[in-house]
Amino acid sequence: NAGVTQTPKFQVLKTGQSMTLQCAQDMNHNSMYWYRQDPGMGLRLIYYSASEGTTDKGEVPNGYNVSRLNKREFSLRLESAAPSQTSVYFCASSGLRTEGYTFGSGTRLTVV
Amino acid sequence: GQQVMQIPQYQHVQEGEDFTTYCNSSTTLSNIQWYKQRPGGHPVFLIQLVKSGEVKKQKRLTFQFGEAKKNSSLHITATQTTDVGTYFCAGRGGDYKLSFGAGTTVTVRA
Repeated sequence: NAGVTQTPKFQVLKTGQSMTLQCAQDMNHNSMYWYRQDPGMGLRLIYYSASEGTTDKGEVPNGYNVSRLNKREFSLRLESAAPSQTSVYFCASSGLRTEGYTFGSGTRLTVV
Repeated sequence: GQQVMQIPQYQHVQEGEDFTTYCNSSTTLSNIQWYKQRPGGHPVFLIQLVKSGEVKKQKRLTFQFGEAKKNSSLHITATQTTDVGTYFCAGRGGDYKLSFGAGTTVTVRA
């Protein structure tokens, strides 16, 4: 099915470990986004990529890095995981900057 | 920066009743979007409002954008168990960035 695919769906990390969350979309969208969702705080933007070859910081970029590998793929990397990064991470994409977003199914990350 | 506040945080509704959730921005918005997230799921885009005073309907859901383009509401009539979930508004400012409210989580009593 067309849409946004995120891997993995679940992950447990120890403090200090690193990992990369993968995201791919097959809708030929230009823009892609990474959000984190914490209880009572809605969705907060970590990083976004308005188009292939560009990335920009969102509201909460500290502790994260991103790579827009090509038009389809946008990965999020945690270099040294901390318990404060325990969250649900969503990748999203949109065709135009004013369109609604299509979200992936999320990655539930726990850092112990 | 732009902030979007959403109230109430929780809404407990008797099946068949109506309810409204509200969204307020500290700045004028170019447009506002609404999303629904089912428990354990991901946000799903419902609708976008662009014009001042705009009203759009989707079956039992009515969306409004305020005249000043700083607030919005979602009204659901005759609530059903399928309406359970969290409803988010997301406002877009002049920089095209989307800011999400904290959401209204709806539970339904049968």
